[in-house]
Amino acid sequence: EPEVTQTPSHQVTQMGQEVILRCVPISNHLYFYWYRQILGQKVEFLVSFYNNEISEKSEIFDDQFSVERPDGSNFTLKIRSTKLEDSAMYFCASGAGTGELFFGEGSRLTVL
Amino acid sequence: EDQVTQSPEALRLQEGESSSLNCSYTVSGLRGLFWYRQDPGKGPEFLFTLYSAGEEKEKERLKATLTKKESFLHITAPKPEDSATYLCAVRGGTSYGKLTFGQGTILTVHP
Repeated sequence: EPEVTQTPSHQVTQMGQEVILRCVPISNHLYFYWYRQILGQKVEFLVSFYNNEISEKSEIFDDQFSVERPDGSNFTLKIRSTKLEDSAMYFCASGAGTGELFFGEGSRLTVL
Repeated sequence: EDQVTQSPEALRLQEGESSSLNCSYTVSGLRGLFWYRQDPGKGPEFLFTLYSAGEEKEKERLKATLTKKESFLHITAPKPEDSATYLCAVRGGTSYGKLTFGQGTILTVHP
């Protein structure tokens, strides 16, 4: 069964460092998303991406965040200068436009 | 702003003891209500989408229903492997794909 894959599964970084989280969405999907979940809190929307541009973003997704689809298969989330409060599980999701989103297993980011 | 509230926060059941989880929502122009299952340390796993009041969907021991203000996830004769956090999410009318999630209900089924 097709699935969304994410790397790395866990990344530890120092405050102020840049981090790139990578995702391979389901191959025939056209809509891509990043969500995050701080430990013990709700899953929160960060950004949606369609046709090589951001279609919607949340207040969380400020200038420190960026997304890119560098080739036909990868979708990345970059955090330029990490803060302690960026520590969370980051989920990539993809959809075919039918409404359902399919999530990856997540990348746990720990900022020290 | 779309809002989702789930209750109870946690539910403990004996194997075979049926029950229901509640999801109350406020949204401007519902374009879908979604149920997901989340195991510890994993990503949400898609279960159901409901689009209009009166709609019902079933999968194995789970049945999801929808009214204009809330959704229920009914679990019939649960088994220990049904233990997980169940998440409810909505997509509003102005959204391209943003889902607003509830806090989830942590379900534990004891053998």
